Amino acid sequence: GIQVEQSPPDLILQEGANSTLRCNFSDSVNNLQWFHQNPWGQLINLFYIPSGTKQNGRLSATTVATERYSLLYISSSQTTDSGVYFCAAASDTGGFKTIFGAGTRLFVKA
Amino acid sequence: ETGVTQTPRHLVMGMTNKKSLKCEQHLGHNAMYWYKQSAKKPLELMFVYNFKEQTENNSVPSRFSPECPNSSHLFLHLHTLQPEDSALYLCASSQDLGPGTDTQYFGPGTRLTVL
Repeated sequence: GIQVEQSPPDLILQEGANSTLRCNFSDSVNNLQWFHQNPWGQLINLFYIPSGTKQNGRLSATTVATERYSLLYISSSQTTDSGVYFCAAASDTGGFKTIFGAGTRLFVKA
Repeated sequence: ETGVTQTPRHLVMGMTNKKSLKCEQHLGHNAMYWYKQSAKKPLELMFVYNFKEQTENNSVPSRFSPECPNSSHLFLHLHTLQPEDSALYLCASSQDLGPGTDTQYFGPGTRLTVL
């Protein structure tokens, strides 16, 4: 089945800094999503982005499906951006299945 | 408050017990999801329902039995669980499954401990 790898596993930023999180996937995908889980466990769906670029405030995401990767950009980071960022890829190769990466744990220092 | 509620928030059960987790969404959505989040494994999507019909089952053991009586409610029936099933079980809903409509809204989760 499809494999999903995220990098870096951990990231510490100073408030105001920018960052790029990466998600590599091993097969063509029908669906690619980014999620944020805050330190209290609440999970939020950030982007549905099987291809192209989307922006939502200080966050944007780009998926290059032909090269099998997606990037999540965080600009002017804030302490509330701390938490774990997951990407999830869905493929119908070998039966439809959604696979999550292990996540990038982000800590933004004030 | 995301509009998705889950009960109970915490559950401790023995391996021979039968229990059920409940999820309710107040958003008028048509699709609902069960996820499992274990301490040392990536988040796992377990089941997807759209208009009460199951559309995805990610090879989940039969000791987990989902039920979706209507688009607003989703249950996860548990029986004969193992200690490794201890995890946070998250429910989510989305408007539909199509592009642009499947932003998911998550509940707070049920923390399950199997003794």
